Amino acid sequence: DTAVSQTPKYLVTQMGNDKSIKCEQNLGHDTMYWYKQDSKKFLKIMFSYNNKELIINETVPNRFSPKSPDKAHLNLHINSLELGDSAVYFCASSQPGHRGYTFGSGTRLTVV
Amino acid sequence: GESVGLHLPTLSVQEGDNSIINCAYSNSASDYFIWYKQESGKGPQFIIDIRSNMDKRQGQRVTVLLNKTVKHLSLQIAATQPGDSAVYFCAENNRGGGKLIFGQGTELSVKP
Repeated sequence: DTAVSQTPKYLVTQMGNDKSIKCEQNLGHDTMYWYKQDSKKFLKIMFSYNNKELIINETVPNRFSPKSPDKAHLNLHINSLELGDSAVYFCASSQPGHRGYTFGSGTRLTVV
Repeated sequence: GESVGLHLPTLSVQEGDNSIINCAYSNSASDYFIWYKQESGKGPQFIIDIRSNMDKRQGQRVTVLLNKTVKHLSLQIAATQPGDSAVYFCAENNRGGGKLIFGQGTELSVKP
């Protein structure tokens, strides 16, 4: 069983489109995250949700909107996609009192 | 701003040799550090962690050293194997920040 699963694994889309990435964790963790990894492999946090409540919202364009229907799911919707949005997006989760994260395998988004 | 950086972006070692990957951090308030391994096409995977009240921690073939005086972290891998080839990240966290901040990453290549 995959602990943190993301879909899709690959996403190729045209500029201006709207797309969503889904994430689910079966670890019973309360907190979930979205990270963006650029072409230089740098990982930067975008959002964090704790039990469906947004707790971290880094400086991210408001075209990016996370949604957490329950504490096991955190989806990322992106409007009006731009070339610069091309990256690998990672979902992660953590449990209370433990500050290490468990990551999903990533979604490679390519905007053409 | 806060940052965690690595001294070398790439490291090439011979199979069987020991590897040392270095990391510098800038936030004195960071009290928890983690090393992650990211293989191609996968998400970051937890290797080992260390709290700021320690200066050394050992795992299976890996050792993390923490020097708070100079804000330096290192990961030592003993008897490096081809399966150790990956990008290695250090990450820092502090109780007030609530988020894991990643360094740039070092790509380790193991030559047979």
